[in-house]
Amino acid sequence: DTGVSQDPRHKITKRGQNVTFRCDPISEHNRLYWYRQTLGQGPEFLTYFQNEAQLEKSRLLSDRFSAERPKGSFSTLEIQRTEQGDSAMYLCASSLGLANYNEQFFGPGTRLTVL
Amino acid sequence: GENVEQHPSTLSVQEGDSAVIKCTYSDSASNYFPWYKQELGKGPQLIIDIRSNVGEKKDQRIAVTLNKTAKHFSLHITETQPEDSAVYFCAALSGGYQKVTFGTGTKLQVIP
Repeated sequence: DTGVSQDPRHKITKRGQNVTFRCDPISEHNRLYWYRQTLGQGPEFLTYFQNEAQLEKSRLLSDRFSAERPKGSFSTLEIQRTEQGDSAMYLCASSLGLANYNEQFFGPGTRLTVL
Repeated sequence: GENVEQHPSTLSVQEGDSAVIKCTYSDSASNYFPWYKQELGKGPQLIIDIRSNVGEKKDQRIAVTLNKTAKHFSLHITETQPEDSAVYFCAALSGGYQKVTFGTGTKLQVIP
């Protein structure tokens, strides 16, 4: 257990529905990341927060995806009008915001299945 | 952007033998190279990392080497044990926002 928690662990939804995932980072970490991992692949970067500011978004993050970190603590990732191609593991990671400190701690992930 | 290639995709070794996984990266500005172990149903867990100003780092049975000129780095696991069986990912970090680019993973099987 790295100290990063994600909820829910599994989500099954029908195509077209909206889903929201939550990530609680390690409490003193001010950097938070979302990744997507499909079967047999490495995690792919989606977006990054420093405190409450979303500083970078991947091209993978279409306009159906939105992420927030309203108080600089927990974060949510919402997918609107889900498609079967959204089926994947969604991973959250957090890190200390110190210069030259790079280690990212990953949560267990939320596995999304879109039927 | 950064591109990380990883080989082999699968690796089977006898218990007690060594395992080597190799990765190459494309962005010469990358300066941090972590290795992650991912077990079934879990998120990736950092097992060792190396910075660009270091050529080699060792932690018990695990070692990582980095060749900046050739842009490649390798993971070495000695005296493998069945609990080492997992998927291993190399990664490279570049850019001001700490974006990590992962390789495609190596599924390591240690045969008792």
